[in-house]
Amino acid sequence: QVQLVESGGGLVKPGGSLRLSCAASGFTFSDYYMSWIRQAPGKGLEWVSYISSSGSTIYYADSVKGRFTISRDNAKNSLYLQMNSLRAEDTAVYYCARMTGYGDFSYWGQGTLVTVSS
Amino acid sequence: SYVLTQPPSVSVAPGQTARITCGGNNIGSKSVHWYQQKPGQAPVLVVYDDSDRPSGIPERFSGSNSGNTATLTISRVEAGDEADYYCQVWDSSSDHPGVFGGGTQLTVL
Repeated sequence: QVQLVESGGGLVKPGGSLRLSCAASGFTFSDYYMSWIRQAPGKGLEWVSYISSSGSTIYYADSVKGRFTISRDNAKNSLYLQMNSLRAEDTAVYYCARMTGYGDFSYWGQGTLVTVSS
Repeated sequence: SYVLTQPPSVSVAPGQTARITCGGNNIGSKSVHWYQQKPGQAPVLVVYDDSDRPSGIPERFSGSNSGNTATLTISRVEAGDEADYYCQVWDSSSDHPGVFGGGTQLTVL
């Protein structure tokens, strides 16, 4: 069965960095587009970043552009999100999600909490 | 960038029909997806491409999309349907294509 497992979250000071990972299993990872989506405490869902199956096409939300970098290693069945210059407003649960050609997020991980605080 | 508008809350009695709307400029020309999220859990896709259901999702969940409004309809509502619901589109014409609505809290009275 499809499994997505995020890791790497934690407490970080403003201006700091963190790297999230998402380990995929149960499907051919290299065939699928992937995204990161976040949810601040008590708030709605916010799409963060997208990467195509080969990694050749990448998009970011305006709120993270220039600070976050998405990448993938198809040989390791893994998705990453490098987060730099973190701000308090980046505090959220971060989910990785598998996408389909319709642009939906068909499978989600359980999420990893990132807290940015001094 | 593209904006999706949902009502903050909808209430319905058990056994009745709940309708949750998602408004957007000419949304009928886009493919709309719906997610259910219960407290402390990751979202679950319940309708994709306007009106299709993933395997395992009850037939009570259906969707429609026309003009400037997409609608998620939940028939014969059960207590277990109480959750937050989000609509979403992928705006391929944009450099930041992932768009979610603000979410609707469904309360089963």
